[in-house]
This record gives sequence, structure tokens and C-alpha cells, in this order.
Amino acid sequence: EPEVTQTPSHQVTQMGQEVILRCVPISNHLYFYWYRQILGQKVEFLVSFYNNEISEKSEIFDDQFSVERPDGSNFTLKIRSTKLEDSAMYFCAPRGGTSGEETQYFGPGTRLLVL
Amino acid sequence: ELKVEQNPLFLSMQEGKNYTIYCNYSTTSDRLYWYRQDPGKSLESLFVLLSNGAVKQEGRLMASLDTKARLSTLHITAAVHDLSATYFCAVDISGTYKYIFGTGTRLKVLA
Repeated sequence: EPEVTQTPSHQVTQMGQEVILRCVPISNHLYFYWYRQILGQKVEFLVSFYNNEISEKSEIFDDQFSVERPDGSNFTLKIRSTKLEDSAMYFCAPRGGTSGEETQYFGPGTRLLVL
Repeated sequence: ELKVEQNPLFLSMQEGKNYTIYCNYSTTSDRLYWYRQDPGKSLESLFVLLSNGAVKQEGRLMASLDTKARLSTLHITAAVHDLSATYFCAVDISGTYKYIFGTGTRLKVLA
């Protein structure tokens, strides 16, 4: 089962500020996914990342969002100018598991609060 | 647009009872996943169902998939308090592992 750590665990920011959320895999993975969960609601797909490129993104993932793998291992999700509605839990999820039965293993998440 | 609906949304049950959570989805898929989420925590992978008729069991939980009916079930046998959590199903319609999650079922098992 792949493991990741996410930093920070909590972040409070002012509306309009930029935030960078980090995902650090324990071992090398090719496929990564970002999801968000607004408090008490369902989990929503944001973007998938394969081999250092975005492979798919949702309507939520607009121009304010970007993802990078700046140093070949860590992943970052950047929100350029945060809005109140960006307040949510953000999860990164590498794909892994038994070959033929792979799934996504969610990291511990970053709780973002935009004031 | 793919819709993934779970019912019930809330479930309060007594310890020792059996119950089933249903996950319906609107578009053809043969890849469905179940997750558990404790309050304030991340999602824990429970089951991977990858074909019609697939059945997986782990402890008091059993999941099944009927792709023709576009339905998955999560059956709880002899519930215990430790099973209290929110359970999500997720569907991958394109084979790209872009998961569309259900609305979630919040389960509370009363001692």
C-alpha cells in the first residue's frame, strides 16, 4: 500500500492569497491524483498526474489551480488566488496495490480554511 | 454526466444487526471501489470490485458488484460500534482512475 505524507496538515489563509499544498510519496509512483472534500460533503476529483504531466482535470480545476512535481519526487497543488469556496480538505492519492487490482490510497489530507 | 448515489445517507443501527448500503450509478462501469472515512480523517480503501458479480469480504463487511444493474452493495453483518464511520463508493467510468464518488453513507452503530 503506497504511503504519502501531506503538508501542511492545516492551513488558514486570507482570501486572494496563494497557497501551496505538498504531497510527499514514500516511494516512487507514476500516477497521482488530487481530490478535495468540502466539509460534510462528498469527495471530488480535481486532477490526475502521470509521468510529470496532467492527464485529466475536472471543471473545478480552473486556471487558479496548478500542479507540479518540482523536484522529481514531491507533488504540489497550488491555488493562486484563494476564494472562500476553496475551503476544504485536499487529498493526494497515489495509485497502487496488487497488479490488476490497483486503487488509490489517500494521504492524510490538508485542511484549508480561507477567510 | 455520471451520477453516483448512495442510500441511505444516514443509518443508525443497533449492534448485532445486519444492514445493506446501496450504491447506484448512472453510466456503464465495471470498476467500483469502497472506502471508509472516520470523522476528520482520510479515506481508507476497503474493497476493489473489477467485474460483474465480483464479491469481496473482509470481516463483517461484504461488497458486491452487479454491473448490469449498475449497483453495488456493502453488507454489514452483526454490526459492532467500531464500524461507525462514513462509507463511500467510487466509480471509475473511463478506466483512467478518475473516481466519481457517491454521496456517502454515515453509519452509526449504537451499543
